[in-house]
Amino acid sequence: DGGITQSPKYLFRKEGQNVTLSCEQNLNHDAMYWYRQDPGQGLRLIYYSQIVNDFQKGDIAEGYSVSREKKESFPLTVTSAQKNPTAFYLCASSMVGTSFNYGYTFGSGTRLTVV
Amino acid sequence: AQSVTQLGSHVSVSEGALVLLRCNYSSSVPPYLFWYVQYPNQGLQLLLKYTTGATLVKGINGFEAEFKKSETSFHLTKPSAHMSDAAEYFCAVTLGRSGAGSYQLTFGKGTKLSVIP
Repeated sequence: DGGITQSPKYLFRKEGQNVTLSCEQNLNHDAMYWYRQDPGQGLRLIYYSQIVNDFQKGDIAEGYSVSREKKESFPLTVTSAQKNPTAFYLCASSMVGTSFNYGYTFGSGTRLTVV
Repeated sequence: AQSVTQLGSHVSVSEGALVLLRCNYSSSVPPYLFWYVQYPNQGLQLLLKYTTGATLVKGINGFEAEFKKSETSFHLTKPSAHMSDAAEYFCAVTLGRSGAGSYQLTFGKGTKLSVIP
């Protein structure tokens, strides 16, 4: 079955440590997105990519980095510069062009906690 | 620019009662509109969408929504609430391929629905 997989489901980070969240899709979608979710704040866009080897900053990119070396993969690194990384992170993917009206497909999320 | 406002961060209904979750959007051109549902510690799942055509759209789990251009609204309804409907619901809008932010959804802040037995 086609889908989008995020791993790990739970992740713990020590102060000053970089961690990488994985996002893989086998839907042949062109675009991929990373969102951060905090209680009461909805979904905030961190980064997005509409084509391989290209990505754009979203509304809250500071302290995060991404790469898009393959169409299927869009890993997110939470760096030590992100001072408040504890949150639920969601990855999504979509078609572009006329098929965008199908909307996003979401992964099941990664909950990151600073210890 | 596009934006989404969901009225009420928390809504409580009795089991069997009508569910009404409100969503208003601002957009300079006719948008695509979506409702998503999120259960605890899970990702978002598409409930229904409006792109073109019939303004009353039906989705999964008995939900439906009506696009009202004159009111810039896309409210979500279900005639009879079930305990399993307790979740958080997000309204989203996009201009699709036109305008700034092409192929990006703008989400509301969400409405948490509680169903009282």
